[in-house]
Amino acid sequence: EADIYQTPRYLVIGTGKKITLECSQTMGHDKMYWYQQDPGMELHLIHYSYGVNSTEKGDLSSESTVSRIRTEHFPLTLESARPSHTSQYLCASRLGAAETQYFGPGTRLLVL
Amino acid sequence: GNSVTQMEGPVTLSEEAFLTINCTYTATGYPSLFWYVQYPGEGLQLLLKATKADDKGSNKGFEATYRKETTSFHLEKGSVQVSDSAVYFCALGRARDDKIIFGKGTRLHILP
Repeated sequence: EADIYQTPRYLVIGTGKKITLECSQTMGHDKMYWYQQDPGMELHLIHYSYGVNSTEKGDLSSESTVSRIRTEHFPLTLESARPSHTSQYLCASRLGAAETQYFGPGTRLLVL
Repeated sequence: GNSVTQMEGPVTLSEEAFLTINCTYTATGYPSLFWYVQYPGEGLQLLLKATKADDKGSNKGFEATYRKETTSFHLEKGSVQVSDSAVYFCALGRARDDKIIFGKGTRLHILP
């Protein structure tokens, strides 16, 4: 069983609010990822990190930002939430040389 | 570039029916291939994987064989259960790559 956690699991918030989605893993994985999953199920990579102090933008442009100050922690921040940000956000991690990727349970975000 | 194509859903079957979900890939080199499953309200979890040609991955009654000649990794199960209702993602990755490539997902409904 993967040890990767996301909080909150559900969030309803008003337009213009700043939010941070938390993701942490206890497996010592160097690579971490954020995906946005639309209602059609497709996964869109929005950010990833090779390790501490490294972050990269993913394949889908996103207004969110990420940071990686500690190996186990990879939070995602939206400075000003909008209804278009309503989605499910999935965090994942994997060890550099290995290939299996482990996912957190996801955060369902609703912006009113 | 690398890509994964899987059959569109939803797929609806009766309990105890035979299941096939098709997946084909395009990749340079020798990727590993994966099937992930996402149950309602959860993140993705690894169902099975295969790391080289002719390998067969299996788990929970599901099987998939890495076919290099047809660039395919079709998921099969001989007798599905209602509890198999979920979204299934085919994916490929290589140890030296930063990202795993996911298909768009196939939603499976099993009727009692």
